[in-house]
Amino acid sequence: NAGVTQTPKFRILKIGQSMTLQCTQDMNHNYMYWYRQDPGMGLKLIYYSVGAGITDKGEVPNGYNVSRSTTEDFPLRLELAAPSQTSVYFCASSYGATRGSSYEQYFGPGTRLTVT
Amino acid sequence: RKEVEQDPGPFNVPEGATVAFNCTYSNSASQSFFWYRQDCRKEPKLLMSVYSSGNEDGRFTAQLNRASQYISLLIRDSKLSDSATYLCVVLPNTGNQFYFGTGTSLTVIP
Repeated sequence: NAGVTQTPKFRILKIGQSMTLQCTQDMNHNYMYWYRQDPGMGLKLIYYSVGAGITDKGEVPNGYNVSRSTTEDFPLRLELAAPSQTSVYFCASSYGATRGSSYEQYFGPGTRLTVT
Repeated sequence: RKEVEQDPGPFNVPEGATVAFNCTYSNSASQSFFWYRQDCRKEPKLLMSVYSSGNEDGRFTAQLNRASQYISLLIRDSKLSDSATYLCVVLPNTGNQFYFGTGTSLTVIP
């Protein structure tokens, strides 16, 4: 049971490049989330999904896109990378609100992205 | 106004000390509350959920005050291994978004 895995661990992008951050969970969780964490700041929600085929915007969705074709995978796409997207990106999953004390979020190890 | 506010610290305490963190939230309709722990350059991990009646897990005690809209975390008999950033997290009863505080930094000194 690997939990939540993210790839890559580190990446340097040039301004204007695009990339996809991968996230996979093997816990059969319905809910998945993408956060970014800037130095000294709290986690900000970018996008989330409550199940395959369903996604919704969080607090800071601009410049990102997501898809959820399977329960396990929730990739985050950056189009036209900008320096403001330099951050640590965390993917998380949870059972969601349908199972008792199921709100615990399990986080992946993060992707450290630098845009220069 | 931020959804969740925490004193960033840092809190530097000697081993064995008792330390308390507070967190305030702005949405009175919030339904679920949590404390997460985040070690340097690592992912957050759930420390404990916070229940209305207050709850304890070993050296850790969490309390909720709905009237004043704050939650607290008390750590007794601090250990060196408690050094980390503690994140306050709130889930409103509408929507599916968790709101994270910026975290409170704790360093336990030998």
